[in-house]
Amino acid sequence: AQKVTQAQTEISVVEKEDVTLDCVYETRDTTYYLFWYKQPPSGELVFLIRRNSFDEQNEISGRYSWNFQKSTSSFNFTITASQVVDSAVYFCALKSGAGSYQLTFGKGTKLSVIP
Amino acid sequence: GAGVSQTPSNKVTEKGKYVELRCDPISGHTALYWYRQSLGQGPEFLIYFQGTGAADDSGLPNDRFFAVRPEGSVSTLKIQRTERGDSAVYLCASSPVMSTGSWAEQFFGPGTRLTVL
Repeated sequence: AQKVTQAQTEISVVEKEDVTLDCVYETRDTTYYLFWYKQPPSGELVFLIRRNSFDEQNEISGRYSWNFQKSTSSFNFTITASQVVDSAVYFCALKSGAGSYQLTFGKGTKLSVIP
Repeated sequence: GAGVSQTPSNKVTEKGKYVELRCDPISGHTALYWYRQSLGQGPEFLIYFQGTGAADDSGLPNDRFFAVRPEGSVSTLKIQRTERGDSAVYLCASSPVMSTGSWAEQFFGPGTRLTVL
C-alpha cells in the first residue's frame, strides 16, 4: 500500500520569505513517480512537477525548487521569495506499482502568504 | 487548447436522488480519471479509463457509483440513491498516452461540487 504524509496542515509566511513544504511517502515499489500540485482558491489542481524514482536530481525552476531524497522517502518543495499569488493548498502525490494508474495524494498544506 | 471541463460546476440534490456528473477531457487524451475530494482532504481516486473501458475501478466506494465513457472521450459519473456523505467535489483528470515505462502527469478539471441535502 502507498501513503503520502504532509505533516504541515497550514503555514503562514510574510511575503518574500522562503518556505519549504514537506512530503514523506511510503511505497514498497522500486519504481514510482512523485508529483506536486497546487490548488488555488479557484479549486483547479495545477501540476507543478513530476519526478520518477530513478531521478534524484534536484531541480530549481525560477522561485521553485525540489529536494528528492530516497534515503528518507522525502520529496520537499521550496518556494523562494514567496509572493501573495503563491497562496494555495499544495498537494504531494505518489503513483507507484506497474499496474496502478491512480495517484495517492497527501492531505495538503495550506500556504498563506501575507503581504 | 482547452483544458478539462466539467459540468455542472455545482449540483445540489436531495438524499435518495440520482445524479450525473460530466467530464470533457483534453482532446486526444486517452486516459481519464475520476477523483473525489472531501473538505480539507486530498483527492481520492475513484476510477480510471483507458479509452472506453474502465481499467481500474477499485476506488469506487460502493455499487451506487458507476461511470461510463462510451466513445472514449466524454465520461459521466453516475451516483444512485445519493447520501449526505456523498457531498464532495468530484474531480476529473485526463492524461495522454505515454511510452512504456514512463508516466504522464494528469491534468485536472475545475470539479463539480456536489451537495446532498
